[in-house]
Amino acid sequence: EAGVVQSPRYKIIEKKQPVAFWCNPISGHNTLYWYRQNLGQGPELLIRYENEEAVDDSQLPKDRFSAERLKGVDSTLKIQPAELGDSAVYLCASSLTGQNTGELFFGEGSRLTVL
Amino acid sequence: DAKTTQPNSMESNEEEPVHLPCNHSTISGTDYIHWYRQLPSQGPEYVIHGLTSNVNNRMASLAIAEDRKSSTLILHRATLRDAAVYYCILRGNAGNMLTFGGGTRLMVKP
Repeated sequence: EAGVVQSPRYKIIEKKQPVAFWCNPISGHNTLYWYRQNLGQGPELLIRYENEEAVDDSQLPKDRFSAERLKGVDSTLKIQPAELGDSAVYLCASSLTGQNTGELFFGEGSRLTVL
Repeated sequence: DAKTTQPNSMESNEEEPVHLPCNHSTISGTDYIHWYRQLPSQGPEYVIHGLTSNVNNRMASLAIAEDRKSSTLILHRATLRDAAVYYCILRGNAGNMLTFGGGTRLMVKP
């Protein structure tokens, strides 16, 4: 079975440009997460979806970041315009809905470099 | 979620056991203890989790203190492939998510 798929793996852009990351979760997983990981730190949650509903987006910088999960399957995270401080790895994860015993499955991440 | 404290880094020799400690003195009764690890250039992967009793799986063992204020992840025989950052995470009922700390960077020497 395919794991969580993310694209692109790497992206280099200049500041003020837009960028988008795509995530396809494991089939049947209703919960989808976007995390951001800065160099040398642990991942930080940006947004969590239950099906197509964003149930926790308190850490998403809403002035420049947006996310969507149409039809409750794959998801897109967008940054517009990008700033130098947005350079990081953006990780997508999915899990079966509900319990705090469930396992999260992570993709390999999308590494963003903003010049 | 309650906070965990882990050493920044540890070293081990290949084929020897490794004990990775985690302190979580403010754990609540419903918090599960989860361990994930992150290999270089990859996303985190699940290792093991437990509530009160010690747990074993094919990857590792989890030893939980009787008062649940600390736990230890045990790799029985470290290999070079086990070199990674290991995260100890408490996961409560409020929200189906993981809150990562800084983790422990494990280095394995041949």
